[in-house]
Amino acid sequence: EVQVVESGGDLVQPGGSLRLSCAASGFTFSFYWMTWVRQAPGKGLEWVANINQDGTETHYVDSVKGRFTISRDNAKNSLYLQMNSLRAEDTAVFYCGRRGTTGNWVGFWGQGTLVTVSS
Amino acid sequence: DIQMTQSPSSVSASVGDRVTITCRASQGVSNRLAWYQLKPGEAPKLLIYAASSLGTGVPSRFSGSGSGTDFTLTITSLQPEDLATYYCQQANSFPFTFGPGTKVDIK
Repeated sequence: EVQVVESGGDLVQPGGSLRLSCAASGFTFSFYWMTWVRQAPGKGLEWVANINQDGTETHYVDSVKGRFTISRDNAKNSLYLQMNSLRAEDTAVFYCGRRGTTGNWVGFWGQGTLVTVSS
Repeated sequence: DIQMTQSPSSVSASVGDRVTITCRASQGVSNRLAWYQLKPGEAPKLLIYAASSLGTGVPSRFSGSGSGTDFTLTITSLQPEDLATYYCQQANSFPFTFGPGTKVDIK
């Protein structure tokens, strides 16, 4: 069974840093692009970042470029999101997802982890 | 960036009703369009991919159509468990933008 489980969400002060993790199982992790998507309270879904199979290609939404870094460790079947210079508007549930087998949609999602940026 | 719009923003319908949600892209995305269902406290679920292909385990009352800029998600016979918010997403070019969502309520 395909599973992705996020962790690392926490309360952090503005300007602070946080690293999210996503543990994958039930599929060959190194074969797939992976993604982070977020949902701010009362708002819709926002695509945040993607990373290719070997970590050599990454893409970000403009609002996080230069502050967030997506990475992966295929030996550990894990995806990460390093978040620096956090702002109040980064408060959201962050979802980890696996690319679909036939296109760039998110085929499988985790339950999400909550990041709250507040003083 | 490709902008995605959805209509309506919310819909209230009775069990058994047909519900149609539309999604429009600001530029053509071919058939690279997905629909997701999001219920509070649950992981989002892929309903439709490639505009019209049914996701794994998704009931056949859900269907998708369209190509280019205009897409439709249809629930042919609304069930109580379909209470959720539905999002379209273009998967044609980065950033892979989502629509603003359509909340479906049961009357």
